[in-house]
Amino acid sequence: QKEVEQNSGPLSVPEGAIASLNCTYSDRGSQSFFWYRQYSGKSPELIMFIYSNGDKEDGRFTAQLNKASQYVSLLIRDSQPSDSATYLCAVWGSGGYNKLIFGAGTRLAVHP
Amino acid sequence: SAVISQKPSRDICQRGTSLTIQCQVDSQVTMMFWYRQQPGQSLTLIATANQGSEATYESGFVIDKFPISRPNLTFSTLTVSNMSPEDSSIYLCSVEVGGSAGELFFGEGSRLTVL
Repeated sequence: QKEVEQNSGPLSVPEGAIASLNCTYSDRGSQSFFWYRQYSGKSPELIMFIYSNGDKEDGRFTAQLNKASQYVSLLIRDSQPSDSATYLCAVWGSGGYNKLIFGAGTRLAVHP
Repeated sequence: SAVISQKPSRDICQRGTSLTIQCQVDSQVTMMFWYRQQPGQSLTLIATANQGSEATYESGFVIDKFPISRPNLTFSTLTVSNMSPEDSSIYLCSVEVGGSAGELFFGEGSRLTVL
């Protein structure tokens, strides 16, 4: 069973702080990793993807990948109340399991 | 990117009935995916629909319960058959854009409530 694990939260951070969202996955052969944001009552939207070990930055977002530890994270700098949402980690399966496997999501609440 | 229209956006249905959800994409795509998101849960893949072939269903989902059509490269339907309250969920259509596996765009979803 290929799994993606996330802390459900809520993760509460003050406005302007760094929010750190974490994800672990079981499929050691996975090569592609994604972060989706889902506002309440809305559908998910892709905000970051990462394929290589290390950091990938896009504006206030940084995705971090450590394949040896099977660990993916998303950092949100200068968090804003508009960042309050559920963040879904997703992993593309390997070994013929060519599908996107979603974690349960971490709910982030940024308070003023 | 892609613009994906789903209909209906929400519906309330009676137990034992069936409902068909439509998904229209503004560009031609090879693969379309149907997901289910139950209240407070993450996304579960129901099936993958390729144009011109039978849909591929995930474990726990069967064609008799969730028949899918894919008549062309921009359109698909998902039918939820013989509904029970356990089928109350949000059903989401999604597509890959640009051929990048895992980079999905989602429709707005269809929220079904079965009484």
